[in-house]
Amino acid sequence: LAKTTQPISMDSYEGQEVNITCSHNNIATNDYITWYQQFPSQGPRFIIQGYKTKVTNEVASLFIPADRKSSTLSLPRVSLSDTAVYYCLVGLTGANNLFFGTGTRLTVIP
Amino acid sequence: DGGITQSPKYLFRKEGQNVTLSCEQNLNHDAMYWYRQDPGQGLRLIYYSQIVNDFQKGDIAEGYSVSREKKESFPLTVTSAQKNPTAFYLCASRPGHQNTGELFFGEGSRLTVL
Repeated sequence: LAKTTQPISMDSYEGQEVNITCSHNNIATNDYITWYQQFPSQGPRFIIQGYKTKVTNEVASLFIPADRKSSTLSLPRVSLSDTAVYYCLVGLTGANNLFFGTGTRLTVIP
Repeated sequence: DGGITQSPKYLFRKEGQNVTLSCEQNLNHDAMYWYRQDPGQGLRLIYYSQIVNDFQKGDIAEGYSVSREKKESFPLTVTSAQKNPTAFYLCASRPGHQNTGELFFGEGSRLTVL
């Protein structure tokens, strides 16, 4: 079972780059790594997904080292509206089941 | 617009009553999921369904039941056997059976037992 470990919380000032790291030591060969963002009383929202190396989209970058046992979500120049909980997910090979940990609560400070 | 609709948004229940939470999607997705979220906690999987007329238990299925008679619908019943049903319930869907692809979530249903 490829469970994940993330920091419980992080604080950052507005305009800074934020990096959130996730450990997934038991990741399987076919598993992808996916990050979601959740605001209070709302459903999570997809941010980015990757398998290896680096993936970038309009809101974030995802860095995955060669051994794939960890990944880092990078949010450039955060704003107050980026205050949310961020979840790192690793899929289970051969099953349609994703594990959500407790996530990382990011607080952006003015 | 395509998406997932959960209803009701808020629900109050007396102890001993069964309640059913609705989840409908018009995204033509095969896979659907129900999660439970307690305050300050992550999401825990209750049930999931990869295809019509098939569903599997997740990590915390006790006290819950589901059905998947139609592709677009995956209702969750919280039975009286569920000891602590007060929580935020989230429904999600995904296009296929692969373990890739974005999960699309509804806005959630908040159940409070009085």
